Amino acid sequence: EDQVTQSPEALRLQEGESSSLNCSYTVSGLRGLFWYRQDPGKGPEFLFTLYSAGEEKEKERLKATLTKKESFLHITAPKPEDSATYLCAVKRTYKYIFGTGTRLKVLA
Amino acid sequence: EAEVAQSPRYKITEKSQAVAFWCDPISGHATLYWYRQILGQGPELLVQFQDESVVDDSQLPKDRFSAERLKGVDSTLKIQPAELGDSAMYLCASSSGTANTGELFFGEGSRLTVL
Repeated sequence: EDQVTQSPEALRLQEGESSSLNCSYTVSGLRGLFWYRQDPGKGPEFLFTLYSAGEEKEKERLKATLTKKESFLHITAPKPEDSATYLCAVKRTYKYIFGTGTRLKVLA
Repeated sequence: EAEVAQSPRYKITEKSQAVAFWCDPISGHATLYWYRQILGQGPELLVQFQDESVVDDSQLPKDRFSAERLKGVDSTLKIQPAELGDSAMYLCASSSGTANTGELFFGEGSRLTVL
């Protein structure tokens, strides 16, 4: 059965304290892995797409990596404005399967 | 920057009433999705359109939910009658991709509260 699991469920960091979020998946015929940021009460905002193992993408303090079984979202020297829920999704043929997200809180 | 438009942003209704949500996808995006997101969970697909045709509505509770995209552009999701368990965020998304590619772009969502 296709499944996406994100960990941890919640993470509290001090400003400047780097860390990583994990997205593990089991899906046949992966067509892409996507990371989104979601602020409270708003729709998810697209961050990255990864298509093949070994691929990496960067945007400001965020870096996403992909292996055959999982993806990591590395946050380097986070700031309070990075506080949000980060969602991972995988695409199988036409269907997207979302994880439940990691709620990140960065303290000043 | 092109955006997915949704309305209303917030809707409070009593159970057994009818509710409707509207979505206008990014211009040129042929694929449109309606998702439901319960607090603390990831979005779950309700219905997917390719142009005006339904691709997947297997998770749509068809006894009370209906969705249409008559001209292959904007879309309406309706709930009749609303139940307490329908309280959630209803998200519309669009994609220009094919089955092999493409990220989703989401609107701001419509928050439904059923009393």
